[in-house]
Amino acid sequence: EVQLVESGGGLVQPGRSLRLSCTASGFSFLDYAMHWVRQGPGKGLEWVSGINWNSDNLEYADSVKGRFTVSRDNAKNSLYLQMDSLRPDDTALYFCARARGGHFRYSPDQWGQGTQVTVSS
Amino acid sequence: QSALTQPASVSGSPGQSITISCTGSSSDVGGYKYVSWYQQHPGNAPKLIIYEVSNRPSGVSNRFSGSKSGNTASLTISGLQAEDEADYFCSSYTRSTTRVFGGGTKLSVL
Repeated sequence: EVQLVESGGGLVQPGRSLRLSCTASGFSFLDYAMHWVRQGPGKGLEWVSGINWNSDNLEYADSVKGRFTVSRDNAKNSLYLQMDSLRPDDTALYFCARARGGHFRYSPDQWGQGTQVTVSS
Repeated sequence: QSALTQPASVSGSPGQSITISCTGSSSDVGGYKYVSWYQQHPGNAPKLIIYEVSNRPSGVSNRFSGSKSGNTASLTISGLQAEDEADYFCSSYTRSTTRVFGGGTKLSVL
């Protein structure tokens, strides 16, 4: 069974940093690209970042470019999102999701339950 | 990276069919086959129901079908059931090598 478990969320002040983690199990992690997707309170889904299977192709939404950094450790079956210079509008439930193939052009197909990030003073 | 355009809400009666549209541009929906649809019930993670325009993942009911014409993708749900009441989101790969989601459509089964 595919499982994705996010962690690292919490309450943080504007301008501070937070690092999210996503631990994968039940599939060959190194064969798949991964996505980060967020959902603000009462809002729709927003794609945040994608990373292909071997980390040589990364991409970000304009809203987070220059502030967020995605990475992965295939030996640890883990995906990360380093979030710096956080702003109140980054407040959201952050999901990690597996892509259907090795590049993030492929749709997210399996999702974690999300980790809540709240940016407030 | 503008969001794809979906109607805010649609409704139908049990047994009827409904269609949700998702309009983008030639830089996303119209330019790629990597268009997908998600169903999200309150408090749950999204669930993939259609990928690559018209393909259903294993285990998804054949009452769900997808199509695309030009810059608009569509999700049709036939034989509406009470359990179909949920939010639906479309998504597409883009020319900027990113992904974009639609604003979401709330389906009410009357």
